[in-house]
Amino acid sequence: AQSVTQLDSHVSVSEGTPVLLRCNYSSSYSPSLFWYVQHPNKGLQLLLKYTSAATLVKGINGFEAEFKKSETSFHLTKPSAHMSDAAEYFCVFSTDKLIFGTGTRLQVFP
Amino acid sequence: GAGVSQSPSNKVTEKGKDVELRCDPISGHTALYWYRQSLGQGLEFLIYFQGNSAPDKSGLPSDRFSAERTGGSVSTLTIQRTQQEDSAVYLCASSLAGQTYEQYFGPGTRLTVT
Repeated sequence: AQSVTQLDSHVSVSEGTPVLLRCNYSSSYSPSLFWYVQHPNKGLQLLLKYTSAATLVKGINGFEAEFKKSETSFHLTKPSAHMSDAAEYFCVFSTDKLIFGTGTRLQVFP
Repeated sequence: GAGVSQSPSNKVTEKGKDVELRCDPISGHTALYWYRQSLGQGLEFLIYFQGNSAPDKSGLPSDRFSAERTGGSVSTLTIQRTQQEDSAVYLCASSLAGQTYEQYFGPGTRLTVT
């Protein structure tokens, strides 16, 4: 069965330090994977998507993710966190519908 | 242009009452999706429309839940005889046909069943 697992429910970083949000997937075929972000009291927004082209995918707001088939991972990174990055992040697997991970809440401290 | 809108933004209802939640998708988006987000959990897929048809209703948790879409646009999610476990944020999304991965989400309706 296709699924995604977000390894951390909460991640806390200081402003200006790197961000790493981890996601592993399970799939019997080459997956389509995405990261969505949900800011407080706002709708979900597509951050970036992997659809079997380049394995390193760049998204909005300086985020990027690398698809690693050998590790079945699609971790989200950003070199330097900003206060405005505080939000809930969802790793998502796409079939004929979106299958969401349980989410990682990112806190950014000044 | 306008995004996906949902109404009401908040709804408090008594256990046993029926509620209707509305979703207005982005103009031109033929696909429409309903999700439920419960506290501490990820998004749970409920139902998907392509035009006015619902090819996938697999996520509806019980027969108390139903949804319809008219004119290929507005959709209504109805919950009959609400229960406390129905309390959640109900999210609607829309996309162009065949672009399941790029869904545009509304702000959601927060439903509280007392």
